[in-house]
This record gives sequence, structure tokens and C-alpha cells, in this order.
Amino acid sequence: LAKTTQPISMDSYEGQEVNITCSHNNIATNDYITWYQQFPSQGPRFIIQGYKTKVTNEVASLFIPADRKSSTLSLPRVSLSDTAVYYCLVGDLYSSASKIIFGSGTRLSIRP
Amino acid sequence: GAGVSQSPSNKVTEKGKDVELRCDPISGHTALYWYRQSLGQGLEFLIYFQGNSAPDKSGLPSDRFSAERTGGSVSTLTIQRTQQEDSAVYLCASSLTPAASTDTQYFGPGTRLTVL
Repeated sequence: LAKTTQPISMDSYEGQEVNITCSHNNIATNDYITWYQQFPSQGPRFIIQGYKTKVTNEVASLFIPADRKSSTLSLPRVSLSDTAVYYCLVGDLYSSASKIIFGSGTRLSIRP
Repeated sequence: GAGVSQSPSNKVTEKGKDVELRCDPISGHTALYWYRQSLGQGLEFLIYFQGNSAPDKSGLPSDRFSAERTGGSVSTLTIQRTQQEDSAVYLCASSLTPAASTDTQYFGPGTRLTVL
């Protein structure tokens, strides 16, 4: 499965839009991009998944350029409760879940 | 409905003792996963169960680690002769469909294991 690279940490302020970019240069044709969020002392929680262009749900948007070598998770108008670790994952329908690599994620800190 | 539950939430044990960690997946979910997360680190895959198929044990770090899933539901992760490096949060997750890397995984709150 494609290796992903994302910033170790990011800081922002309440009310701002936060964009976290993930690089996956070796993404394969069948790969999807998935983001999870993990609050302190909790297990990760699914945020969003996409294949190309743009996906939006009630929590976030996911932007994927045409070459799909990167993706950007966009969190609109963040609040203190968005402080968490965000994981970018890449995988396809046919690979075992055992091949998924969560990595260290991006630690997002939101300040008042 | 209820989410994934794990017990105990915290476990402190002495080096050399055996421990059992329990996971109750979401009802109807066919796939169940175990991960380990050391402080400030990402998740390390340990094992997953997919329906009635043989489990994928490729992530188990040593033969001191084992897991079973009874009746396609509850799972127990057993660590024998615990070592201090086993200290971590052990997370369980389940997914509705047979495990593939795109399936949404629903995680439990984890069990924090401390080996003294």
C-alpha cells in the first residue's frame, strides 16, 4: 500500500479554517484516501473518505487533485474540540486491512 | 446502537504475569481488529478476524501474544509473561463488511496496559 507523509503537528485558532495535507506519491489506481480523527484517550474515528476531486460531509471536506499524489483535509471554522490527531490512510478494496498503516498522524492544536 | 466496548479500561500488572483484554464489537460486524498504540505513537496492527476465516496474525509481535474470537462476536487478546515494553493502549475495532483496507473501522476506547 502507498506510504503517506503528513506534518507532525499544526497549530491554529478557533474560527479558522484548517487544511492538513497528506502526500501519497505512490498511490495506486484502486486506492482510496481515508482520514481518521483521534481525541485523547479515545480510539480513532472515521472522518471522511474519497477517491478523486472533492468530497464533503458534515464534518470536513477532502480535496484530491487530478494526479491524486496528495490530498487535503479541510476543517471549516475549527473549535477547541477539534484538537486531536488526524491520520491519513491509503488503501484499496482488495488489500487486507492488515496492510493499513496509521502512522503517527498530524497533531492539531486549536487555541482560543 | 452501542459502539465497540473494551474491558478493562485500565490494567496494571507485574512483569511476567498473563493478562486478558476483552473486546465486544458492534453487533453484526463481521470483522474485528486489534491494534496497539504506544504513548505518542501511531497505531500498530496486531491481528484481525474476518467472519469464519482464519485470522490474520501477521502483526503479532511475539508468540506471547494470542487472540481468539468466540462465536463470531467477543474477542479476547491474551498476553503471556508480560514485559515492560508491552505497556501501551490496546485498541479494538470492528467493521461491518469483510475486512478490506477501505472499510470504516469503529474503534473502542481502548485498554491502557501498564506493566510494572
